[in-house]
Amino acid sequence: GAVVSQHPSWVICKSGTSVKIECRSLDFQATTMFWYRQFPKQSLMLMATSNEGSKATYEQGVEKDKFLINHASLTLSTLTVTSAHPEDSSFYICSADGTSGATDTQYFGPGTRLTVL
Amino acid sequence: AQKVTQAQTEISVVEKEDVTLDCVYETRDTTYYLFWYKQPPSGELVFLIRRNSFDEQNEISGRYSWNFQKSTSSFNFTITASQVVDSAVYFCALSEALGTSYDKVIFGPGTSLSVIP
Repeated sequence: GAVVSQHPSWVICKSGTSVKIECRSLDFQATTMFWYRQFPKQSLMLMATSNEGSKATYEQGVEKDKFLINHASLTLSTLTVTSAHPEDSSFYICSADGTSGATDTQYFGPGTRLTVL
Repeated sequence: AQKVTQAQTEISVVEKEDVTLDCVYETRDTTYYLFWYKQPPSGELVFLIRRNSFDEQNEISGRYSWNFQKSTSSFNFTITASQVVDSAVYFCALSEALGTSYDKVIFGPGTSLSVIP
């Protein structure tokens, strides 16, 4: 079946540094990818919708200058957390829309756990 | 606006008991998709089911069954003869359709299920 990978699976960084998270659709092309954030014991909250070749659409309250999203190809979207602070520590999950290819559903990556010290 | 409500925050059952997880949704669209996902302690989302708004047939898959009632905007999930491995957080989710593609997926708050041996 269709697979979405994320790299890294976990990362620990110092406050003030930037962290890049990759989301790849391994066996299908994804015109649209989504980025979610999940705080402990809470639900997934959509941060932004990433469309290949165009600017991402951010949800209300999400700082686009802090969470940079790039969707340069049909199989890769990246989320960069710039100048990370402890409050950015969270579980980040991406998903890819497989309707543009042979699949017809949305697939979630395994998530990236970010800890900012 | 879309909204998903899961009134049960936490449920504990004894192994082999049946348990039903409730989900109520709100949407103005006539075409939409409903999902259930399982999130074990590892964090990776496990897709359980997708149902489109035009298909009100109930579905059974092994010990899992789903009851979709459009009249009450509910999409409840029942686990029969629960097992310890069913312990996880379960999310109900809603996505409105954009042509042949999906719009963003909105997640409910989740229900944490504990199955006690």
